[in-house]
Amino acid sequence: GIQVEQSPPDLILQEGANSTLRCNFSDSVNNLQWFHQNPWGQLINLFYIPSGTKQNGRLSATTVATERYSLLYISSSQTTDSGVYFCAVGSSGSARQLTFGSGTQLTVLP
Amino acid sequence: DAGITQSPRHKVTETGTPVTLRCHQTENHRYMYWYRQDPGHGLRLIHYSYGVKDTDKGEVSDGYSVSRSKTEDFLLTLESATSSQTSVYFCAISDSTVNYGYTFGSGTRLTVV
Repeated sequence: GIQVEQSPPDLILQEGANSTLRCNFSDSVNNLQWFHQNPWGQLINLFYIPSGTKQNGRLSATTVATERYSLLYISSSQTTDSGVYFCAVGSSGSARQLTFGSGTQLTVLP
Repeated sequence: DAGITQSPRHKVTETGTPVTLRCHQTENHRYMYWYRQDPGHGLRLIHYSYGVKDTDKGEVSDGYSVSRSKTEDFLLTLESATSSQTSVYFCAISDSTVNYGYTFGSGTRLTVV
């Protein structure tokens, strides 16, 4: 099956800093989503982005499907950004069934 | 707020007992999914549904069954719970339109002792 690798596994930032999280995948995809899992365990959908670039406030994401990677940018980080960020992909044969990466644990210090 | 609820939120059960987890949605979405989350494995798909009475297996379906008799409800059953099924279980929904974006429920923490 498709492999999803996220980097870095852990990231510690001071409040106000910017960061870039990366997601590499091993095959072509028709579905790519980014999620944030907050410290209480809730999973929030940030982006549905199988290709192109999207922005939502301080967050933006870019997927280059032909090169099999996606990037999540967090600008002016806040302590509420802490948690685990997951990338998940669906391949062309089973686009709706997501395969998740192992996540990036982000800690934003005040 | 997204119209998806899971019950119960927490459950402790004994090895060998049957357990049913419920996912209820008010969004009238066609697709529903059950995932489990474990340390070191991330989230893995157990079963999914693409309509009433239409279900299929995911990556880790052994030991689990599902049923969907109404659009709004997707049930996950552990026929005979084992300690390896101790996990956090998440239900998700997605629409049938072009946007495949998931909405997750709050999760059920299941402990099998």
